Amino acid sequence: QVQLQESGPGLVKPSETLSLTCAVSGYSISSGYYWGWIRQPPGKGLEWIGSIYHSGSTYYNPSLKSRVTISVDTSKNQFSLKLSSVTAADTAVYYCARTGYCSSTSCHDPFDYWGQGTLVTVSS
Amino acid sequence: SYVLTQPPSVSVAPGQTARITCGGNNIGSKSVHWYQQKPGQAPVLVVYDDSDRPSGIPERFSGSNSGNTATLTISRVEAGDEADYYCQVGVFGTGTKVTVL
Repeated sequence: QVQLQESGPGLVKPSETLSLTCAVSGYSISSGYYWGWIRQPPGKGLEWIGSIYHSGSTYYNPSLKSRVTISVDTSKNQFSLKLSSVTAADTAVYYCARTGYCSSTSCHDPFDYWGQGTLVTVSS
Repeated sequence: SYVLTQPPSVSVAPGQTARITCGGNNIGSKSVHWYQQKPGQAPVLVVYDDSDRPSGIPERFSGSNSGNTATLTISRVEAGDEADYYCQVGVFGTGTKVTVL
């Protein structure tokens, strides 16, 4: 069974960088699929942030691209998110998830496995 | 960017049928996926590629897609179906809260 688990600070100060890691078990990232981050502000809908392929190819939401970096560590079977210059608008539950395919600006395949999510609050 | 519009809420009595729509320009030419999200939980894929169900999802969940509207249908609605539902075609839809009366 594929399992994903997010980890990272739950509180980040404005203007700083949000950093999260997603550990994958039950499947080797090197075997394929695209691995992504999705967020959900409190009481609001879902927003795709970006995804990465095991080769390191990255795909970002155009609206966040200038602030987002996603990287992969196949030796640890995990991938990471960095979001810079955060503001209160970046307060959200952040999910990591697996999908079959992404293009340069979106992922059109379904997200079939999700982590439980982690709440990140941006506040001083 | 592509916009997917869903009704904010749908109410249905137990045992009845709930239909949740997802509107988008020429959505019928695209593959639509649907997620169920209960409070405090991660989304769960319930329908993919318009009408296929992942393993473990009841047959009560079905989907269709044509023209400018995709529809998720929940038959014989149960109390446990109360949740938010999101469609996805690249972007995610605005979400629909299903209330079981």
